[in-house]
Amino acid sequence: DAGVTQSPTHLIKTRGQQVTLRCSPISGHKSVSWYQQVLGQGPQFIFQYYEKEERGRGNFPDRFSARQFPNYSSELNVNALLLGDSALYLCASSTTGDRAEAFFGQGTRLTVV
Amino acid sequence: AQKVTQAQTEISVVEKEDVTLDCVYETRDTTYYLFWYKQPPSGELVFLIRRNSFDEQNEISGRYSWNFQKSTSSFNFTITASQVVDSAVYFCALSDGNNQGGKLIFGQGTELSVKP
Repeated sequence: DAGVTQSPTHLIKTRGQQVTLRCSPISGHKSVSWYQQVLGQGPQFIFQYYEKEERGRGNFPDRFSARQFPNYSSELNVNALLLGDSALYLCASSTTGDRAEAFFGQGTRLTVV
Repeated sequence: AQKVTQAQTEISVVEKEDVTLDCVYETRDTTYYLFWYKQPPSGELVFLIRRNSFDEQNEISGRYSWNFQKSTSSFNFTITASQVVDSAVYFCALSDGNNQGGKLIFGQGTELSVKP
C-alpha cells in the first residue's frame, strides 16, 4: 500500500507570493494533519481535517488555510509568503480510535527568498 | 496546556553502546497518547510507537524499548547495542484523547549520533 504522498518535494518562492502544497493520505485514512518544521525544531501543528471538516487549528496566522477533498486528499495554502515561512511542511494521515496511529509523508521543503 | 520536553538536544555514543532518550510531558487530560518518531536526514518522520495513557506496560521491540511512567510523566526510549543506522533525530509527541493521532504536540527532538 502507498504511504502518505506529498507534492512537490521542493519549492522556491518569492516573498509575497502564494503557494499550494498537496497531500494524499494512506488509503482508508480520513484524517489529515499539517505541520510546519523549522530547521532545528520539532514540527508545529497547523491544521487537522477529518471528513472534510476542520477539526483543529494551531497558532498560525490567517495567511495559512487548508481544505480536504471528498477523496480525503488535502491542500495547504499559504498567502503573502514571508521569509519566516521557509520550512519543511509535513502532512500526516491517521486513523481514529484507541489504536490511532499517525503516519507522515516525506514533506515539502519550501524556501522563500 | 500540553507540552513535551526533550531535555537532551544532542547525544553522541559509540556503536554497541546503550542509549536512553528522555521525554517528559505535561497534560491535564486523563486520556492521552504518546508517540515516538525517528527523523533521518531524508526528513520523513518514521513512526516507532504509540502508547495509550491507560496502558503503562513497557514495550520491547527488538533493540528498542520504551518505559512509560505516569507517576513522573515520562516516556523514555532506550536503544540497546546502538548501530550507526540509528543516527537520526528522535521526537517524542503527545496527543489528547479527543484528537488521538490527529494533533500531535512535539518535543524539540534529540539528535542521536552513533559513531563506528
